[in-house]
Amino acid sequence: GDSVTQMEGPVTLSEEAFLTINCTYTATGYPSLFWYVQYPGEGLQLLLKATKADDKGSNKGFEATYRKETTSFHLEKGSVQVSDSAVYFCALSTYSGGGADGLTFGKGTHLIIQP
Amino acid sequence: SQTIHQWPATLVQPVGSPLSLECTVEGTSNPNLYWYRQAAGRGLQLLFYSVGIGQISSEVPQNLSASRPQDRQFILSSKKLLLSDSGFYLCAWRVTGNTEAFFGQGTRLTVV
Repeated sequence: GDSVTQMEGPVTLSEEAFLTINCTYTATGYPSLFWYVQYPGEGLQLLLKATKADDKGSNKGFEATYRKETTSFHLEKGSVQVSDSAVYFCALSTYSGGGADGLTFGKGTHLIIQP
Repeated sequence: SQTIHQWPATLVQPVGSPLSLECTVEGTSNPNLYWYRQAAGRGLQLLFYSVGIGQISSEVPQNLSASRPQDRQFILSSKKLLLSDSGFYLCAWRVTGNTEAFFGQGTRLTVV
C-alpha cells in the first residue's frame, strides 16, 4: 500500500537557520503531495501542495518540489522563525475511488526553533 | 467557501461515561468525512471514514463508533469510555480525487 516516510525529530534549530525536512513516499498511483502544519492545540492546516512531477508548492516562505524520480517532497525554508515551531506532516493523496485508502500521512516532524 | 466545525474543543469525562463528538461541514456537498485520533506527541491514527450518508468504514477495532446521519454531519461516539480513549480527536473532510483534506480544530478528550 501507499506510505509516507519523514523524520520524526524533534528537529531543533536556531532562528534564521535553513530548514529541510525530508519526506519520501511510495504510491501505486500518481499522487498529489502535501505538507501540513499543526500548531500546539490546533488542527492541521494545509501549508502547501503539488499535484504533478516538478511542481513546486510554496507558502509563507516554505517550499517543496515534487520529485518523481526520487519519490520525494522535501520541505525547505531559508530562514526559520520562532513562530515556525510546530509539527509538520507530509501526506499524499491518490484517487482510488474515494475514501481513506487514498489519503496517507507521515508520522509528523516536531520542529523547535530557538531564539 | 467551505468550513468545518468541530465541538466541543475540550472535554473531561469519567471512565465508563458515554461520548459524543460532532463535526459538521459547510459549503460543500457529499464530502468524504474522517475521524482521526492523535495521542500525545504521536502521529495521526485514522479511526473512521465515510463516503456517504450511513456509510461508515472502521479502520481500527476499538471502543468507538461513528455515524453519519446527514450529508455533512459526522458523529463519533462511545457507550463507555476507557482511559485509553484520551487523546486529541480531529475531524476532516475532502472531496473524492487527488485532493487535500481540511481539518477541524480538534477536541481534546481527557478520560479520568
